[in-house]
Amino acid sequence: SYVLTQPPSVSVAPGKTARITCGGDNIGSKSVHWYQQKPGQAPVLVVYDDGDRPSGIPERFSDSNSGITATLTINRVEAGDEGDYYCQVWDTNNNHVVFGGGTKLTVL
Amino acid sequence: EVQLVESGGGLVKPGGSLRVSCAASGFPFNSYTMNWVRQAPGKGLEWVASISSGNAYIYYAASLKGRFTISRDNANNLHLHMISLRGEDTGMYYCVRNSLPRAAPSDSFAYWGQGTLVTVSS
Repeated sequence: SYVLTQPPSVSVAPGKTARITCGGDNIGSKSVHWYQQKPGQAPVLVVYDDGDRPSGIPERFSDSNSGITATLTINRVEAGDEGDYYCQVWDTNNNHVVFGGGTKLTVL
Repeated sequence: EVQLVESGGGLVKPGGSLRVSCAASGFPFNSYTMNWVRQAPGKGLEWVASISSGNAYIYYAASLKGRFTISRDNANNLHLHMISLRGEDTGMYYCVRNSLPRAAPSDSFAYWGQGTLVTVSS
């Protein structure tokens, strides 16, 4: 089955840039979606497909995807960006939705 | 406004069964693929099942081994019937709507309910 690998945690100072990676076999050929989840809340879609953002998501959130790694980039990080971030793809070989294990973003 | 309201969670004994449901409103329900995603306490997200508009396709996570059944009805409800429940099925079950109508399975998950908690314990 298809596996997505994320680092368990990323820490960044306020105002700096956070990068959260999502590794998978030939992930560059897939549409990758990113979700933010804050404690006690449901996940929220923050970036989808090739870097599109839903209404209300700041331009500070963007992504890139090539080869074996997709990356969610958060510019000018704010305290309110803290939470868990998950990448997600569709596994065409097995007809499965696959989530990465999640990355906890800490703003120092 | 899109609303997804889950219900039916609770405490069930190992080996028991349970049906959780999701009442959808604020959008043309029949036009969207709907999904269940669960999250064990302190763990990550796990996809459970998807059902497309018009039931054109229904997919399940392989780990469920046929114990779960997803369905939808004409009253804008999504259901998940679970049997032979185990401790590892404990978690929050989220009802989720795809982003686009009649989209491919690779579509993103735009709307999430607040979840219903299922606890499997003796």
